[in-house]
Amino acid sequence: AQSVTQPDIHITVSEGASLELRCNYSYGATPYLFWYVQSPGQGLQLLLKYFSGDTLVQGIKGFEAEFKRSQSSFNLRKPSVHWSDAAEYFCASSMDSSYKLIFGSGTRLLVRP
Amino acid sequence: ETGVTQSPTHLIKTRGQQVTLRCSSQSGHNTVSWYQQALGQGPQFIFQYYREEENGRGNFPPRFSGLQFPNYSSELNVNALELDDSALYLCASRSSSGEQFFGPGTRLTVL
Repeated sequence: AQSVTQPDIHITVSEGASLELRCNYSYGATPYLFWYVQSPGQGLQLLLKYFSGDTLVQGIKGFEAEFKRSQSSFNLRKPSVHWSDAAEYFCASSMDSSYKLIFGSGTRLLVRP
Repeated sequence: ETGVTQSPTHLIKTRGQQVTLRCSSQSGHNTVSWYQQALGQGPQFIFQYYREEENGRGNFPPRFSGLQFPNYSSELNVNALELDDSALYLCASRSSSGEQFFGPGTRLTVL
């Protein structure tokens, strides 16, 4: 069965430091992959998506993610974190662009001043 | 382009009651999905509607049902509420490019 694992429940980084959030997926074929961010009281906002092609995808707010088939991973990165990036981040996969999203359990990012 | 809206924002019900949650899709989006997000968890897919027909369902019992209307707004109905139904319920409408736009959610508390 399709599944998404986010191994880190919480991550704390200092403002200005780099960030990497881990995501692993389990699916026979190459899935569609997504990263969403959720701030308190807000819905989910799409940061970036991977469907095919270039394995390094750029998203909004300075985020990027790299698809690595050999590691079944789709890690999210940002070179310099801002205090406003503190939020919950969810990785998700789908069998195709029109199908249901399978979400990981999320990683809560805390940013130290 | 208006965003996805949901109502109400918060709701408190007691066990055994029924609840209806509403969602207005983004203009031009004819596919809507509903997700349940329990506290500390990622969202879980409940079902999806396309042009007023259910065309996908997750692992939820039949007491979770839905409707999609000709204007593509949608309802989620839950009968015989249980304590474990307490969660944030998210609605998402899908664009022609496949991107899903989520609403802010309805926080349901079952006492």
